[in-house]
Amino acid sequence: AQSVTQLGSHVSVSEGALVLLRCNYSSSVPPYLFWYVQYPNQGLQLLLKYTSAATLVKGINGFEAEFKKSETSFHLTKPSAHMSDAAEYFCAVSGPGSFGAGTTVTVRA
Amino acid sequence: DTGVSQDPRHKITKRGQNVTFRCDPISEHNRLYWYRQTLGQGPEFLTYFQNEAQLEKSRLLSDRFSAERPKGSFSTLEIQRTEQGDSAMYLCASSSSRDRDEKLFFGSGTQLSVL
Repeated sequence: AQSVTQLGSHVSVSEGALVLLRCNYSSSVPPYLFWYVQYPNQGLQLLLKYTSAATLVKGINGFEAEFKKSETSFHLTKPSAHMSDAAEYFCAVSGPGSFGAGTTVTVRA
Repeated sequence: DTGVSQDPRHKITKRGQNVTFRCDPISEHNRLYWYRQTLGQGPEFLTYFQNEAQLEKSRLLSDRFSAERPKGSFSTLEIQRTEQGDSAMYLCASSSSRDRDEKLFFGSGTQLSVL
């Protein structure tokens, strides 16, 4: 069975600082991996996806994630946080039932 | 394409009442999913359809819950004899089986409050 674990339920960063959200996966075969973002009172939106074409994946809004098979990780980063990045972020593995518990990002002015 | 739409956005009901939610997926998507999300948690899978066939149901889906997708387009999720523990956001998502990576497109959800 495929699953993901997100490390850290809350991350607080200063505007302009690095954002790092951690996700580890468990899968017997190379998975497809996703990061979704959920803004307050909105549905989830796809941020980026890994489908084995390239280990470094670039997404929307300046986010990127690196697939590391040796570490079974798919961490999400953004070099410089913006106030508009305040949201909840979910890591997911392909298949209908495999979302992480989410990480809430707050951005301090 | 207007995306995935869900109706209603909010539902307040009394314990013991039945409620029904509707989801309209993206028109060319043949797969439709229902999830439940509570505060501070990720979406929990409930069930999924490919066309009109219900292919998978979670153990979370008690016999008070039933979902249908009669014509392979919109879907309904009914909860009978609601309990306070059913209070949650119910999310619908859709995808295409031609999309090999199974990325999901979500609606804005229906927030259920059971008093």
